Amino acid sequence: DTGVSQNPRHKITKRGQNVTFRCDPISEHNRLYWYRQTLGQGPEFLTYFQNEAQLEKSRLLSDRFSAERPKGSFSTLEIQRTEQGDSAMYLCASSSRLNNHGAFFGQGTRLTVV
Amino acid sequence: AQTVTQSQPEMSVQEAETVTLSCTYDTSESDYYLFWYKQPPSRQMILVIRQEAYKQQNATENRFSVNFQKAAKSFSLKISDSQLGDAAMYFCAYRSPVGGSEKLVFGKGTKLTVNP
Repeated sequence: DTGVSQNPRHKITKRGQNVTFRCDPISEHNRLYWYRQTLGQGPEFLTYFQNEAQLEKSRLLSDRFSAERPKGSFSTLEIQRTEQGDSAMYLCASSSRLNNHGAFFGQGTRLTVV
Repeated sequence: AQTVTQSQPEMSVQEAETVTLSCTYDTSESDYYLFWYKQPPSRQMILVIRQEAYKQQNATENRFSVNFQKAAKSFSLKISDSQLGDAAMYFCAYRSPVGGSEKLVFGKGTKLTVNP
């Protein structure tokens, strides 16, 4: 399968713990996005990478959140000292500079903080 | 900042019938892209149809078509001959023109139920 892959699919963690999610984009896509989706809402933009450079971050991305994309391939999103309000679906998407067909999404990682 | 509004939290349609989902948006830009995405339960979001703002012709993809009214900032999705597999959350999304992050701004979604 050459689509966007996210791992894990589900994560349950205790409040205060750190979690890390991984996204493998479509191989030829140089743009990678992270979105957060809470129940009953549409996805909200968190951050964007072009190759390995993180070029934009939303104000939603507090200091406890950090994202990386080493070598412009896969990306990781880490949340430190998780809070119950972090419970959400975290979506990764990728696109090509030449692609005007929107972005291709992964299946998401559902985080539950207890 | 751009905003997208979907005023119908839920819609239902009988199989084989036609349904229209509404979307309005706010922007000061003259060139942009609009999308409809489908998110089936527990499955990934997939692109249904897209529209470039500079094109006056409404986009069509098989049973899916849009009614794009640029002056009114309206972008509705019409699903013809509805099928059980069309049941999903549908999200309208806005994207700035080429350049910048090209991030998507989504509405809150419309849950579509298809009744047999």
